[in-house]
Amino acid sequence: SQQGEEDPQALSIQEGENATMNCSYKTSINNLQWYRQNSGRGLVHLILIRSNEREKHSGRLRVTLDTSKKSSSLLITASRAADTASYFCATDARAGANNLFFGTGTRLTVIP
Amino acid sequence: GAGVSQSPSNKVTEKGKDVELRCDPISGHTALYWYRQSLGQGLEFLIYFQGNSAPDKSGLPSDRFSAERTGGSVSTLTIQRTQQEDSAVYLCASSPEVAKRNEQFFGPGTRLTVL
Repeated sequence: SQQGEEDPQALSIQEGENATMNCSYKTSINNLQWYRQNSGRGLVHLILIRSNEREKHSGRLRVTLDTSKKSSSLLITASRAADTASYFCATDARAGANNLFFGTGTRLTVIP
Repeated sequence: GAGVSQSPSNKVTEKGKDVELRCDPISGHTALYWYRQSLGQGLEFLIYFQGNSAPDKSGLPSDRFSAERTGGSVSTLTIQRTQQEDSAVYLCASSPEVAKRNEQFFGPGTRLTVL
């Protein structure tokens, strides 16, 4: 399967702390995306990192990509209670499939 | 501007009945996806539409599942003779072009419960 795997499956932190989530995948990719999902409903795109990029920032988000290890990490700095959600990585494939492949997600709980 | 909308938001049906789920993508988006998400799981790809090309149906789990996209806009996912294992949240997403290289915009989903 080309599906990504996130770890940890669940993460609980205090407000103000940093949260780090990891994603591993199996095949070569063009890009990797991170999405957020509240309450098991629609997903919201957070950030896209291309295979020739190693790090990308967006506000309190920092994403790294290591294509040699087929892994990515999402760092949320200075977490807030409103960051409580599930976070998914999604990868495409260099050739073949038209769709994104989503991991199983990390459930983040930020305690006020 | 309006995002992706889906209807109904919730659907409860009896085993063996047919259901239709609707997706209205963002106007002008040529790529449309259907995904299924079981409780506590990631998203499972079902079907992909891109413009006037033949759809990619490689993710449909059985021949009870089918989807149409009329006029390159609205899409309907039909599940015939529903089974309890079909219970899930069905998510639709659209994208301006080749979606896997770009951001996908998701609807709120339809939560299907098969009794």
